[in-house]
Amino acid sequence: GQNIDQPTEMTATEGAIVQINCTYQTSGFNGLFWYQQHAGEAPTFLSYNVLDGLEEKGRFSSFLSRSKGYSYLLLKELQMKDSASYLCAVVDNYGQNFVFGPGTRLSVLP
Amino acid sequence: DGGITQSPKYLFRKEGQNVTLSCEQNLNHDAMYWYRQDPGQGLRLIYYSQIVNDFQKGDIAEGYSVSREKKESFPLTVTSAQKNPTAFYLCASSASRQGTGNQPQHFGDGTRLSIL
Repeated sequence: GQNIDQPTEMTATEGAIVQINCTYQTSGFNGLFWYQQHAGEAPTFLSYNVLDGLEEKGRFSSFLSRSKGYSYLLLKELQMKDSASYLCAVVDNYGQNFVFGPGTRLSVLP
Repeated sequence: DGGITQSPKYLFRKEGQNVTLSCEQNLNHDAMYWYRQDPGQGLRLIYYSQIVNDFQKGDIAEGYSVSREKKESFPLTVTSAQKNPTAFYLCASSASRQGTGNQPQHFGDGTRLSIL
């Protein structure tokens, strides 16, 4: 079966660093995406990992360990506008099916 | 500008009625997807299509139907058989096809469907 877990909610302070974890158990693996979704809006693409290691993109970084079925999204220098839900999605072996986790709702406080 | 257009933004359905949600993209993407999102939940896949005139059921296809007669268009019909249709519906597309590597999905702004 397919199972992706993320913490439901997290809270952090403006200017701080926060790490959002994602663990997965899927029938196949062909990459992992992170998306940001503000309330009532469409998800937007943040990062993609297919090999083990860290991908850095400005204030956002994403890490993948395929042997552990684990990824995290690291957000640095938090801003109020980073308050949103963060969705982890795993792509199956054929690259055709995206399986989404439940999302983590992040609240950034002043 | 290229993008995905969903319409309408808000839709109301009466009991026993079928309704169709529109999704159009001008990104020249091969793959298109329909997701359902319930409050506080992640996205669940309803149907997806990798190529014109072909589509596959996702995890929650019961009570829904789709067509893919043109590359640009992937309409979703919510039938009367779907007993709990109230949700936020998102359409997405990507350039990915089997063997071409992974590309991110691009999403429309969504349609919020409610029951009258």
